[in-house]
Amino acid sequence: SAVISQKPSRDICQRGTSLTIQCQVDSQVTMMFWYRQQPGQSLTLIATANQGSEATYESGFVIDKFPISRPNLTFSTLTVSNMSPEDSSIYLCSALGGSPYEQYFGPGTRLTVT
Amino acid sequence: AQSVTQLDSHVSVSEGTPVLLRCNYSSSYSPSLFWYVQHPNKGLQLLLKYTSAATLVKGINGFEAEFKKSETSFHLTKPSAHMSDAAEYFCVVSDGGGYNKLIFGAGTRLAVHP
Repeated sequence: SAVISQKPSRDICQRGTSLTIQCQVDSQVTMMFWYRQQPGQSLTLIATANQGSEATYESGFVIDKFPISRPNLTFSTLTVSNMSPEDSSIYLCSALGGSPYEQYFGPGTRLTVT
Repeated sequence: AQSVTQLDSHVSVSEGTPVLLRCNYSSSYSPSLFWYVQHPNKGLQLLLKYTSAATLVKGINGFEAEFKKSETSFHLTKPSAHMSDAAEYFCVVSDGGGYNKLIFGAGTRLAVHP
């Protein structure tokens, strides 16, 4: 299994600002993912991040709002840009594990936008 | 397109009684199915997975699930609930594509009473 850490664990930000969330995996992984969990809701995939290529975004999510970097096989960042209160959510990263079809999740970053 | 429907948003049981969390799926091919658990203020943990092997899948903490193709169901069960089982449970289907996109159900909140 892979152990995933995220920074920060939580933050309170003002509208109009940006926040970058870091995701670190304790082993090399091919694919990483970013999810959003809005209050009281399920998880929705934002994008898939592969090392060495641009992230693939799901419908409803755009690169200008959620730029993603994947500089190596153990690290990724998600930036939430020009934040509004509607961006208040938990943001989770995950990584595809060694076993087929297993994704391991980080603890999440709880973002509140005021 | 793949989807999952969790039939109960809330389930309440007494400690020591059986747990049943219901999940139906829709898939155009043989799916990979998962159950994840999310304890309050904690990350997601994989309980068990089905990937076209044995239809009765045993997971951690005494949970198991049975894949029933004829009923398109993947219900989660546990013979005897423990207080520590109180959490949010997500039924998840993989789209089976090249990058293992996960599609989450809406979640079922399990409450366990003494």
